Amino acid sequence: AQSVTQLGSHVSVSEGALVLLRCNYSSSVPPYLFWYVQYPNQGLQLLLKYTTGATLVKGINGFEAEFKKSETSFHLTKPSAHMSDAAEYFCAVRLYSGYSTLTFGKGTMLLVSP
Amino acid sequence: DVKVTQSSRYLVKRTGEKVFLECVQDMDHENMFWYRQDPGLGLRLIYFSYDVKMKEKGDIPEGYSVSREKKERFSLILESASTNQTSMYLCASTPGGNNEKLFFGSGTQLSVL
Repeated sequence: AQSVTQLGSHVSVSEGALVLLRCNYSSSVPPYLFWYVQYPNQGLQLLLKYTTGATLVKGINGFEAEFKKSETSFHLTKPSAHMSDAAEYFCAVRLYSGYSTLTFGKGTMLLVSP
Repeated sequence: DVKVTQSSRYLVKRTGEKVFLECVQDMDHENMFWYRQDPGLGLRLIYFSYDVKMKEKGDIPEGYSVSREKKERFSLILESASTNQTSMYLCASTPGGNNEKLFFGSGTQLSVL
């Protein structure tokens, strides 16, 4: 079985500050890991993904995440927050092998203040 | 761009009614999914389908059924709506053999009174 835990249902930052959204996973096999973003009144869209290879992955809008197997983590970061980053962020995991579906975390709402 | 269209943005139904939520994708994707999204619970998979007339139960299928008569259309059916099915429902699709990048619709906010 696979699962993800997102620490913090809400994270508040000031514009220009570092964004750090935490995600830990549980998987019996090497996982595929994802971050999705949901802007108000929209569906989710893929921000970035880790499958194999380089453990530091870059996504859209300046976000990146690092896969750390020893810590079972896949935290999302952005050096400088922008007001337009305010949204809900979901971490998700899929088993490396097999034809399996994504399991999503509970989400973290990112609030950006001027 | 891939477009996943959900027929209604807001829907209000009464307890006991049969409810149909429709989803259509225009990119010939094999795989389609129905999730419900609730505050503090994230997204939970209800049903999915890897082919026409094929369906698989997700994590929370109780009280729901699905229909996939055509490749582009995936319907979620609430046989007898209940108040605990008030939720945001999200439809998604992906190409065959690739469940990595889900393409989501904008969602249907269903209220059951």
